[in-house]
Amino acid sequence: VTQNPRYLITVTGKKLTVTCSQNMNHEYMSWYRQDPGMGLKLIYYSVGAGITDKGEVPNGYNVSRSTTEDFPLRLELAAPSQTSVYFCASRMRGQRSSYNSPLHFGNGTRLTVT
Amino acid sequence: DAKTTQPNSMESNEEEPVHLPCNHSTISGTDYIHWYRQLPSQGPEYVIHGLTSNVNNRMASLAIAEDRKSSTLILHRATLRDAAVYYCIPLNNTNAGKSTFGDGTTLTVKP
Repeated sequence: VTQNPRYLITVTGKKLTVTCSQNMNHEYMSWYRQDPGMGLKLIYYSVGAGITDKGEVPNGYNVSRSTTEDFPLRLELAAPSQTSVYFCASRMRGQRSSYNSPLHFGNGTRLTVT
Repeated sequence: DAKTTQPNSMESNEEEPVHLPCNHSTISGTDYIHWYRQLPSQGPEYVIHGLTSNVNNRMASLAIAEDRKSSTLILHRATLRDAAVYYCIPLNNTNAGKSTFGDGTTLTVKP
């Protein structure tokens, strides 16, 4: 799972996009944010191309899934409260109930909004 | 979605075994129990998962209670490199995208 950029500094009100791509043909992809000393919070997820849904903390973010490989995260109006580390993850869909695959994570994008 | 409860922190001495507990009393019959760990300044990485039987791999062992309401991740000989935050999370093939994490257990390994 490849995320870009690794580090991003911007100012309040700017529009920005963090990209995420995977070449493992995984149907499931997700975006998380992680604030200092805290666990991961689910922002948005997708179960396949053309399908996205909100997670725990979707406000201020948008996503799209036009292809299986790509799942970009967009901030339309960056705010200081969105300063965080963002992780993209992907997972194969099990074809059988007896098969269960792990989540694969990117290396993270550290975003600072001033 | 099943909720999990883990201790906030645990300590271990190097070379000693570590047992990290997780309670998941609302787990469904199709949920597998996954464990991930997050090293400092890195993304989470997969450790192990299982359904009912105990599981072993090169990183760790997973012991699952008979009623599946709890599990224990076992690191047989902790090293300094095992210092990380450990997360347990129930996952099945229908909620696979909507995977929510708790705050995990921060493991400190003392030399």
